[in-house]
Amino acid sequence: SQKIEQNSEALNIQEGKTATLTCNYTNYSPAYLQWYRQDPGRGPVFLLLIRENEKEKRKERLKVTFDTTLKQSLFHITASQPADSATYLCALGGRGSTLGRLYFGRGTQLTVWP
Amino acid sequence: GAVVSQHPSWVICKSGTSVKIECRSLDFQATTMFWYRQFPKQSLMLMATSNEGSKATYEQGVEKDKFLINHASLTLSTLTVTSAHPEDSSFYICSAPWTSGGTGELFFGEGSRLTVL
Repeated sequence: SQKIEQNSEALNIQEGKTATLTCNYTNYSPAYLQWYRQDPGRGPVFLLLIRENEKEKRKERLKVTFDTTLKQSLFHITASQPADSATYLCALGGRGSTLGRLYFGRGTQLTVWP
Repeated sequence: GAVVSQHPSWVICKSGTSVKIECRSLDFQATTMFWYRQFPKQSLMLMATSNEGSKATYEQGVEKDKFLINHASLTLSTLTVTSAHPEDSSFYICSAPWTSGGTGELFFGEGSRLTVL
């Protein structure tokens, strides 16, 4: 079965710096990859989607890259703010019979300190 | 934006009882909804795909007789945890895709925290 690893479990950075979160996967060839933000006790909120034929996507202060050869996605938050503190989840989406179903990593807890 | 509403947000029940959780898409129709479960410090685990007008599709290892799913309309899916036991205590979250086709983002409900005593 597919395995998704988000390194690391926790990341602490200073306000204004760029946060870089990593998502690695094995035993799977996703058609697309998504990133979500989850606050404690809440449901995830969609941030970005990148497809297998795309290398990079940007949205405001967010940037995601997708390397299907390395089986890795990087998620960047530039000019980070304390309000960015949350758990960030990567999720893989398939094709065919698995279309629409997402498989999530454990998440990386980001803390941005002033 | 699209909103998915989940109810109840938390529930405490005695072991052996059944609990029903509702998931509604408020401003769009969802022929498909997904049910996830999340234990503390763990990832969201996909339990099943709820299909309007047909049977749900369950992931491997999920007991379909224990977790009953009914997708009665284009805006409502329900998950019933039957004969709940303490090990069923978890955070249950539903989601629905905004667009048909299956490759778009999911909108998640706020989750339902189930505690079985």
